[in-house]
Amino acid sequence: DAGVTQSPTHLIKTRGQHVTLRCSPISGHKSVSWYQQVLGQGPQFIFQYYEKEERGRGNFPDRFSARQFPNYSSELNVNALLLGDSALYLCASSPDMGVVEKLFFGSGTQLSVL
Amino acid sequence: AQSVTQPDIHITVSEGASLELRCNYSYGATPYLFWYVQSPGQGLQLLLKYFSGDTLVQGIKGFEAEFKRSQSSFNLRKPSVHWSDAAEYFCAVGGGGADGLTFGKGTHLIIQP
Repeated sequence: DAGVTQSPTHLIKTRGQHVTLRCSPISGHKSVSWYQQVLGQGPQFIFQYYEKEERGRGNFPDRFSARQFPNYSSELNVNALLLGDSALYLCASSPDMGVVEKLFFGSGTQLSVL
Repeated sequence: AQSVTQPDIHITVSEGASLELRCNYSYGATPYLFWYVQSPGQGLQLLLKYFSGDTLVQGIKGFEAEFKRSQSSFNLRKPSVHWSDAAEYFCAVGGGGADGLTFGKGTHLIIQP
């Protein structure tokens, strides 16, 4: 079975632009979470989606948004990019909301904002 | 608020020597605790996890960790490291629900020949 897949693997944008990152969860997993990992830091929780609704959110501005589709895949959107948004964005899936003991991470999308 | 502290930013160990990576957490209830490993440019691979029961948990690649509630610690150990263990190691805490995991800042492990 395929694991969590993310696309693209790398992306370069300029300040002020908008970006969309994509995530396909493990087959059968209904919950998707997004994490931001700035260079030299641990991942930081952005939000969790379950049944197409945002169920939990970390300390991130409204420029960060996401949606989840009927097939449980997800998109992360970031508007008005800042240099500080440069990071590795990790997607994780689990069978249901909050089932952290069965949380699996993708390899991430490396976003560079110039 | 939950938090994780990994006091050692870098650790250098000789190949074949034993290893201990420290992790202290703050959490209001019984925590779920994790150790992940990350190679450069890669995602996170779960080494082991603790939810309840035996406080000494075994993981993959010969790693183990011990949960000590009185010390709020969850230290990772390996009796003999291999050059392939060189990577970034992250400790994380969570309680389920919708709030995700809280990670420490990581410990960079360097293996000397």
